[in-house]
Amino acid sequence: SQQGEEDPQALSIQEGENATMNCSYKTSINNLQWYRQNSGRGLVHLILIRSNEREKHSGRLRVTLDTSKKSSSLLITASRAADTASYFCATPNNNDMRFGAGTRLTVKP
Amino acid sequence: DGGITQSPKYLFRKEGQNVTLSCEQNLNHDAMYWYRQDPGQGLRLIYYSQIVNDFQKGDIAEGYSVSREKKESFPLTVTSAQKNPTAFYLCASSIKRRLDTGELFFGEGSRLTVL
Repeated sequence: SQQGEEDPQALSIQEGENATMNCSYKTSINNLQWYRQNSGRGLVHLILIRSNEREKHSGRLRVTLDTSKKSSSLLITASRAADTASYFCATPNNNDMRFGAGTRLTVKP
Repeated sequence: DGGITQSPKYLFRKEGQNVTLSCEQNLNHDAMYWYRQDPGQGLRLIYYSQIVNDFQKGDIAEGYSVSREKKESFPLTVTSAQKNPTAFYLCASSIKRRLDTGELFFGEGSRLTVL
């Protein structure tokens, strides 16, 4: 089920800084989604960007999509300790959602 | 509140035993999914069901079985044929049968450990 690859694998920042995570994928897509997973918990959907969109915002989240490079980025602005989690990009493929291995974000207070 | 409930949260199994993980949703979603997550990795699809009494194999179905007798329920059985069952199992649902226009809603997961 793996399609996307996130970069970096791990990221550690101070509270208040911005966090940027990148995702690359291999096949053409209808949309790309980002999910968050707190340690030992289920995934929570954050944001969906369609293939005809280049940028989307939701609160402190900003997602970009470059279909020519098959890549996306997730920016979290003014990070908080509560943002500490793993973040996954995912691309739907008919009956399956393909996930990358995730970026582990640690925000230090 | 609507959501997906997985149980048990933690499960220990001896080698050679079958175990069943429960997944119930009250979101009235058509499609349900089972994923496996290993440490530091993404999710891999085990089985999915788009409608009652029908289900399809995912990428890693060997050693697992499912049933979909009710819209709300999609239990997963990890059989003794699964060689390396220790993992975190996640159940999910989607409102539409096709995922290319929707998102997944996840339960809180079940962690299975083989002793």
